[in-house]
Amino acid sequence: NAGVTQTPKFRILKIGQSMTLQCTQDMNHNYMYWYRQDPGMGLKLIYYSVGAGITDKGEVPNGYNVSRSTTEDFPLRLELAAPSQTSVYFCASRAGQPNTGELFFGEGSRLTVL
Amino acid sequence: AQKVTQAQTEISVVEKEDVTLDCVYETRDTTYYLFWYKQPPSGELVFLIRRNSFDEQNEISGRYSWNFQKSTSSFNFTITASQVVDSAVYFCALSGTIHGSSNTGKLIFGQGTTLQVKP
Repeated sequence: NAGVTQTPKFRILKIGQSMTLQCTQDMNHNYMYWYRQDPGMGLKLIYYSVGAGITDKGEVPNGYNVSRSTTEDFPLRLELAAPSQTSVYFCASRAGQPNTGELFFGEGSRLTVL
Repeated sequence: AQKVTQAQTEISVVEKEDVTLDCVYETRDTTYYLFWYKQPPSGELVFLIRRNSFDEQNEISGRYSWNFQKSTSSFNFTITASQVVDSAVYFCALSGTIHGSSNTGKLIFGQGTTLQVKP
């Protein structure tokens, strides 16, 4: 069972470059989320989706975009990378009732912007 | 607003000691859910427990136990007879239903507590 798969695991970007963090889940979960984790700051929600074709902003959406064309995939795009976007990014998905189901996390993607 | 506070940034104990990780939350929802996740040095996030706001019974799972008290808005986590393998960052998280998450299942995380268990 693959669960939630994120790629790449590590990436170094130059300021102003663009990239997409890929996230796919094989559990047929409707709810998907992108979080970023900064040292000592816990996890902050960037964007989330409650189903294919539906996305919404979380706490820290600036500088990011998402799309949800299929149930399985929820890519996160950084258009103009900035040093403030250096972080570890986690994709997660959830089944069943939105507030009761366990959140399944990917292994994380460590992004450094220089 | 919804908020989770883990006031202990770092805790260091010696193996076999008991340790309690504190979690205090704020929400206006009457129905909500609380979670604990473990993040070992390898970086992944491991689900430990979910508790709904109507169930105040304490829960024990092996060396782990959780104390949920609505009166003090706390959901504390105790590790009994700690082991080196318990060394990790532990996150408490909250999911509301109306005022916060609005049926979207968003989790609000605390800042995390880094637990170091020394041999």
